[in-house]
Amino acid sequence: GAVVSQHPSWVICKSGTSVKIECRSLDFQATTMFWYRQFPKQSLMLMATSNEGSKATYEQGVEKDKFLINHASLTLSTLTVTSAHPEDSSFYICSANSAGGNIQYFGAGTRLSVL
Amino acid sequence: QKEVEQNSGPLSVPEGAIASLNCTYSDRGSQSFFWYRQYSGKSPELIMFIYSNGDKEDGRFTAQLNKASQYVSLLIRDSQPSDSATYLCAAPNQAGTALIFGKGTTLSVSS
Repeated sequence: GAVVSQHPSWVICKSGTSVKIECRSLDFQATTMFWYRQFPKQSLMLMATSNEGSKATYEQGVEKDKFLINHASLTLSTLTVTSAHPEDSSFYICSANSAGGNIQYFGAGTRLSVL
Repeated sequence: QKEVEQNSGPLSVPEGAIASLNCTYSDRGSQSFFWYRQYSGKSPELIMFIYSNGDKEDGRFTAQLNKASQYVSLLIRDSQPSDSATYLCAAPNQAGTALIFGKGTTLSVSS
């Protein structure tokens, strides 16, 4: 199957700082990537759909100014959590569709802890 | 709004038994369905996908799709403790641009 790389896998930061998470498709071109958030013992929550070369589509209730998404190439999307606060501590997971496909391949996830 | 429903469980089965995980969906027009497995603290991994009515087998896993009744199931034969995880059912959204995930069913296989 296709490989999606996500980095970093774990990050601890101080409240008020910004954190950037990278999502790369290693062996295929991903016109669409997705960003999810998952709190402990809860289901995956789609935050936004990232489209190469255009603005991301955010789900209802997700602050676009707080969660900045950039998808500048067919193999890289980034999520920046700006001015992070303890309530932003969560497991952030990206996924990608190969071109023309419905199957989503997930990155390993990033565990964010904001002190 | 499309919905994908799963019983959250936990579903407990003894080692060697068949585990049956069920999922129902609201959109009769849905054409494809996906089963993902998620271990605690890890991201989801694809197990199987199914497009056609009937059964699709892959090793110990069998996906079953019944479009008339709008349910899709996943059977795990000869369950192993290593199968203990949360299983997520998913179907494409209306636009076909993203997957809608169910809340997942937690499976516990005891040795």
